[in-house]
This record gives sequence, structure tokens and C-alpha cells, in this order.
Amino acid sequence: DAGVIQSPRHEVTEMGQEVTLRCKPISGHNSLFWYRQTMMRGLELLIYFNNNVPIDDSGMPEDRFSAKMPNASFSTLKIQPSEPRDSAVYFCASSLGKSDEQYFGPGTRLTVT
Amino acid sequence: GQQLNQSPQSMFIQEGEDVSMNCTSSSIFNTWLWYKQDPGEGPVLLIALYKAGELTSNGRLTAQFGITRKDSFLNISASIPSDVGIYFCAGQLIRDYKLSFGAGTTVTVRA
Repeated sequence: DAGVIQSPRHEVTEMGQEVTLRCKPISGHNSLFWYRQTMMRGLELLIYFNNNVPIDDSGMPEDRFSAKMPNASFSTLKIQPSEPRDSAVYFCASSLGKSDEQYFGPGTRLTVT
Repeated sequence: GQQLNQSPQSMFIQEGEDVSMNCTSSSIFNTWLWYKQDPGEGPVLLIALYKAGELTSNGRLTAQFGITRKDSFLNISASIPSDVGIYFCAGQLIRDYKLSFGAGTTVTVRA
């Protein structure tokens, strides 16, 4: 069974550009999470979807960040405009139910120059 | 979520050695999780603990859920080179989606 799939694996962009990260959760999982990992702050939850509906976006840093989940098998995290401080590894994770074990994707390493 | 206190921050191990790391919290959790992250990859779930006092093994890995529900430890026996990586603990409250992560323990094999 395929795990969580993320694309791209690496993204290098210039400050001010729009960045879109993509995630395909494990089939049958109804909860999806976007995390950001940095050396300084560790793993931070950005947003949580349940049954494609955003439930908790309190971790989204600012209005430049937005996330969507148009269907059960696809989610995007968009940063517009991007800034150098957005450089981090972004993970998508999914779980069967909201409090079940979370399975992480391989991550997208974002570098904003 | 709140940050857990994970120690040690890093360790160098000799192949064949046993390794131990732990995680503490100022508040209780209902579930403790241990993840491993290899370079360039996402965290992979190693062991999940659901009951205070529970001791669970997964191959050479053994983890325990502390009696007070405020701590957990992970042991790796007879370490091998592929054990290198970053190990994270995470705590979770019942019926909650949020995970509180430790800062990680970086394990490196000493040449």
C-alpha cells in the first residue's frame, strides 16, 4: 500500500514567488495534517483537515499561507508570496481518524532565496 | 502543542551497544509515540503506547509508557549502523488530533 505522497521533494524559489506543495494522503484516511520542520522550532502543525474540511488552521503563520483539500485524495499548501524565512521542510501526514496514528510523507524541502 | 523534554539531544553509539533515550512532560498524555526520521525522509512510526505502564517491543526496540503518564523511554538493543537517525517522541491526548513533539535525539554511530 502506498504511503503518503508529496511533491515536489525539493523546491528552490526566489523571494516573492508563489509556491505550491502537494500531498496525496493514504487511501481511506479521513484526517490530513500539514507540518513544518525547522531546526529552531522543530515540528509544527500548520493545519488539520477532517473529511476534507479545515478544522484547525491556528498554526498557519500568516495570510501568505493557505491550504486546500478539494477531495479526499489531494491537498495543497500554498505560500504567496514566499519569503526566505519560509525555508523549511514541509510534511504532510494522514491518519485513519483524527486521533489515530499519523503517517508522514517524505516531505518537501523548500528553499527561498 | 506543548514541547516535550527529550534527552539526550544527541548520542554517539558503538555498533552493538544498547541505547536509551527518554521523554518527559509536565502534563499527562494518553498516548505516547516514538518516531524515527532518516535524513531526507519523513518521520516513521516505530512504536505506539496506549496504557500507563505498558511495555512494547518492536524487534530490537522497546518502549515504555511511564506510570505517571508524563514520561516514556525508548531502548534500542544491539545497535547497528542503520539505527542512525533522529528519534522523536510525541504525546497525544485521548480523542485529540494534536501531537506534542520532543526536539529529537540524534543518534550517530561512532566509527
